[in-house]
Amino acid sequence: EAGVAQSPRYKIIEKRQSVAFWCNPISGHATLYWYQQILGQGPKLLIQFQNNGVVDDSQLPKDRFSAERLKGVDSTLKIQPAKLEDSAVYLCASSPTGADSGNTIYFGEGSWLTVV
Amino acid sequence: DAKTTQPPSMDCAEGRAANLPCNHSTISGNEYVYWYRQIHSQGPQYIIHGLKNNETNEMASLIITEDRKSSTLILPHATLRDTAVYYCIVRRSGSSNTGKLIFGQGTTLQVKP
Repeated sequence: EAGVAQSPRYKIIEKRQSVAFWCNPISGHATLYWYQQILGQGPKLLIQFQNNGVVDDSQLPKDRFSAERLKGVDSTLKIQPAKLEDSAVYLCASSPTGADSGNTIYFGEGSWLTVV
Repeated sequence: DAKTTQPPSMDCAEGRAANLPCNHSTISGNEYVYWYRQIHSQGPQYIIHGLKNNETNEMASLIITEDRKSSTLILPHATLRDTAVYYCIVRRSGSSNTGKLIFGQGTTLQVKP
């Protein structure tokens, strides 16, 4: 079974530039998550989708971050303009459904962002 | 969501059992205990989860106390490849919850030869 796919794996940009990350979840998984992990910390949830609708975006800095999942499958996370403190690993994860705690959430390898 | 408390770091000798503790004294009846680990430069990897009963799979065993206020993850024969950060997470169920995982700082397990 194919896992959660993310790209690019690594990205270096200058501050105030923009960047986009792409995620393809496990086939058939309705729920998709984006997490941000700053070096030395645990992952922090940015946004959760159920199919193509947003379930939770309370921790997403909406002045510069945006995310979409137009057809309920792939998702894109965008940062514009980037700040130095956005340097982190951006993790995408998926699960069959979100509300049932018995369902496992699977993570991708992450996209490493360095803002200089 | 209930908070968890884990020791920041632990060492284990290769080939021996690694026992990682987790306290979750405020856990509710509908909350599961999940364990993930994160090897350097990789995404978190699911290990095991449980509600009340002890669980075992090909990777590990999960022992949950009868009052559910603490649990222990057991790696029966640790190898160098088990060196990672291990996260214990309490995950709420129910219609008012999004089913998300809230990560703490985890325990850094160092397996030594």
